[in-house]
Amino acid sequence: DAGITQSPRHKVTETGTPVTLRCHQTENHRYMYWYRQDPGHGLRLIHYSYGVKDTDKGEVSDGYSVSRSKTEDFLLTLESATSSQTSVYFCAMSPGQDPQETQYFGPGTRLLVL
Amino acid sequence: AQRVTQPEKLLSVFKGAPVELKCNYSYSGSPELFWYVQYSRQRLQLLLRHISRESIKGFTADLNKGETSFHLKKPFAQEEDSAMYYCALIRSFGAGTTVTVRA
Repeated sequence: DAGITQSPRHKVTETGTPVTLRCHQTENHRYMYWYRQDPGHGLRLIHYSYGVKDTDKGEVSDGYSVSRSKTEDFLLTLESATSSQTSVYFCAMSPGQDPQETQYFGPGTRLLVL
Repeated sequence: AQRVTQPEKLLSVFKGAPVELKCNYSYSGSPELFWYVQYSRQRLQLLLRHISRESIKGFTADLNKGETSFHLKKPFAQEEDSAMYYCALIRSFGAGTTVTVRA
């Protein structure tokens, strides 16, 4: 479990403010992902990365940006938070030999946008 | 495009009864399917994957390409099986099924 961590674990912010969530892994895994978890929708992919500086959009990328300047860190930024972005955010990683691999998840970040 | 459908949001069974969680998918290639589980206050973790053909915690899942299904089954549910279960295909997850096992 300690191979992938997220910070902060909880955050309350106001509409219109920027927010950055951090995902950190110690496994040297190639792929990293950001999902949001919402009741009735399950997990939906926001963005993912397949290497340093290599990222791609997921299903619900509008309003989010990501950066990966180092293998171990994958940052998710909400440029101007909205109430619809209140959610639980999960980061995940996978080794990278095959895109169809087991993903290993972080503990999640609960974000409340007021 | 890939899509995963879990038709049941909630599933309640008695301890010792069989439990089956449905999962249907759409994918044009050769699918690699997974079941992940999230116990209360824990992170998501892999329960089983199609390719390994293992039985984990008494759960099994069979890939039926004709019906495009990957249903999860356990013959005798236990209280510790109460959790949220997600079916997944590559980076697409279903909406999840919350299972409650009652004593």
